[in-house]
Amino acid sequence: GDSVTQMEGPVTLSEEAFLTINCTYTATGYPSLFWYVQYPGEGLQLLLKATKADDKGSNKGFEATYRKETTSFHLEKGSVQVSDSAVYFCALSSYSSASKIIFGSGTRLSIRP
Amino acid sequence: EPEVTQTPSHQVTQMGQEVILRCVPISNHLYFYWYRQILGQKVEFLVSFYNNEISEKSEIFDDQFSVERPDGSNFTLKIRSTKLEDSAMYFCASIPGQAANYGYTFGSGTRLTVV
Repeated sequence: GDSVTQMEGPVTLSEEAFLTINCTYTATGYPSLFWYVQYPGEGLQLLLKATKADDKGSNKGFEATYRKETTSFHLEKGSVQVSDSAVYFCALSSYSSASKIIFGSGTRLSIRP
Repeated sequence: EPEVTQTPSHQVTQMGQEVILRCVPISNHLYFYWYRQILGQKVEFLVSFYNNEISEKSEIFDDQFSVERPDGSNFTLKIRSTKLEDSAMYFCASIPGQAANYGYTFGSGTRLTVV
């Protein structure tokens, strides 16, 4: 079945560092790919999405490019802030999974001032 | 921006008691979902609901669970006889149609603690 694998956390960086959180997926067909963010004590917020190969999703300085050839959707940000500390979930949705969202295990990111 | 609303934000219940978690999806959305997240773990699919019936459910969603859309606006998850392992965050979500490219709108969740 469809699945998402993302890098284990926690990830700890200093403010203004470059961030990459790796995500790869397995799916039949052509899934849509998402990154969700969960700030401490809050719910799940859609951060960005890409719905076809080579699309780049972006929001709040974060970017991720849908790479079909490597089945990846890595999250990047050029300069992180303390306020970016959260748990980040990579996810996919496809018709073969009946459009339900399948989440990766989440990566906890902590940013030091 | 439209929101999915969940109540209560936190519920504490004794083992064996029934609980009902409530959700108000976005008004023009047609597909509704419940997910759960055991503390610090993965977000897991429970059930999807469309046209007043369950369209898919996971292995977690056993006979102790049920969902209902009682009045055209609320969407509820009932756990008939709670167990300690039901302690988790429960998230409701909705989308306008069955298209894989929709990003779900999630509610802020209900933290269920079974003691």
